[in-house]
Amino acid sequence: EVQLLESGGGLVQPGGSLRLSCAASGYTFSSYVMSWVRQAPGKGLEWVSGISGSGDSTYYTDSVKGRFTISRDNSRKTLYLQMNSLRAEDTAVYYCAKDRRCSTTSCSDFDYWGQGTLVTVSS
Amino acid sequence: SSELTQDPAVSVALGQTVRITCQGDSLRSYYASWYQQKPGQAPVLVIYDKNNRPSGIPDRISGSSSGNTASLTVTGAQAEDEADYYCNSRDSSGNHVVFGGGTKLTVL
Repeated sequence: EVQLLESGGGLVQPGGSLRLSCAASGYTFSSYVMSWVRQAPGKGLEWVSGISGSGDSTYYTDSVKGRFTISRDNSRKTLYLQMNSLRAEDTAVYYCAKDRRCSTTSCSDFDYWGQGTLVTVSS
Repeated sequence: SSELTQDPAVSVALGQTVRITCQGDSLRSYYASWYQQKPGQAPVLVIYDKNNRPSGIPDRISGSSSGNTASLTVTGAQAEDEADYYCNSRDSSGNHVVFGGGTKLTVL
C-alpha cells in the first residue's frame, strides 16, 4: 500500500525558515517524480515544486524560486522542501504528491497524496 | 498562457448529469487530469490521460477533451459526488504543472 506522510509544518515568523519532509512507502520511490502542492486556507490547489526520480532535475513555480529548495533522499525514501524567507502568502497546507507514471518531468497526474502539513507564516 | 480556467460553482439535481469544464492553451498539447477534494481531505485523482479512471473510481465519472477544453462528466450524480473538482496539466513549457481554480459541485 502506497503511503505518503508529511511532517515539519508549523508556525513561523515572516522571513523565517522551515523544512518539510514527506516519507514514502509501498512503492519504488526513486522511479517517480515527486511534487509539492499547496492550498491556502479556503483557496485552490497550487503546484509549488517538482523533482525527478533521480533528484537531478528540479522545477519551481515562479513565486517560490530562489526561496524554496526541493530535494530527495532515495535511500531514505524521503522528499524534502526547504522553505526560506517565508512570507504570509506562503501560509497553506502543503501536500506531497507522487506522479503516476513519470520519472523525469512531471506528467501532472498525481495518483497518491499525503494528508498535508499546515504551514502558518505570521508574527 | 499557462492558466487553466474553471467555473467556480456548478449544481446538479440528484441523479442527473453534470459536466465540469477546464479551459487552457496547454490542453492543446497535454491531457488534463481531474481531482476530487472533499472538505478536510487530500485530493483524489479521478481521471487521468483524458478518460482513464484509477481503480475504485465509479464509472459514472468520465472525462473528455477537445481543443483547449477538457471536461469531467458525472452521469447520475450521487450525494457523495458533492465536492471540489480541480483539473491540472503540464504548462506550455512542459516542465511545470498548472491547476485550474477549482469547481465546487453541489448535488441538490
